[in-house]
Amino acid sequence: ETGVTQTPRHLVMGMTNKKSLKCEQHLGHNAMYWYKQSAKKPLELMFVYSLEERVENNSVPSRFSPECPNSSHLFLHLHTLQPEDSALYLCASSHPRGHEQFFGPGTRLTVL
Amino acid sequence: DAKTTQPTSMDCAEGRAANLPCNHSTISGNEYVYWYRQIHSQGPQYIIHGLKNNETNEMASLIITEDRKSSTLILPHATLRDTAVYYCIVQRYGGSQGNLIFGKGTKLSVKP
Repeated sequence: ETGVTQTPRHLVMGMTNKKSLKCEQHLGHNAMYWYKQSAKKPLELMFVYSLEERVENNSVPSRFSPECPNSSHLFLHLHTLQPEDSALYLCASSHPRGHEQFFGPGTRLTVL
Repeated sequence: DAKTTQPTSMDCAEGRAANLPCNHSTISGNEYVYWYRQIHSQGPQYIIHGLKNNETNEMASLIITEDRKSSTLILPHATLRDTAVYYCIVQRYGGSQGNLIFGKGTKLSVKP
């Protein structure tokens, strides 16, 4: 248990569905991250939020839309995904100048 | 691309020390060496980081060569639960000031 929770843990969706992934931390961190881990590929950083402002967007397609309403919560809104978007989506948090990122357990997403 | 080179896989006998090497020949003076591990289907877990000096914590030791071009993570008494993929990452900061770029890592298998 790292103190970072993610829901749901598993999600199956069709290409026309809209769904959201949720990440929550009460560690007092004010930087939060979304990563994607596809099968047999390294973890890829998708988005970074620091003090609730997006500071990094690594050329992620617009069908992925992040939202950070406060420093404890991070969402990833999904719409019209493709089967190749099936992956493990990981959330992490840290202090902006901290050395350690704390990862959640991930959401295993399958797009049919 | 990741700035580090690690062996693809390693085996270690239970109870013995596991020594995981990492080459980072292009490391800059203000870049840290971070180690994370990922147990199957879980989120990555921070292990240790260092800049120049050797570091030790309750999980592991980090030995950095004097020229900083390589390092070794040491798990002093490996257990079966240490079986995981170990990532060596070079970055300015581990928080939102610098984003972690994960490579393929070393798959460590601890055997009874």
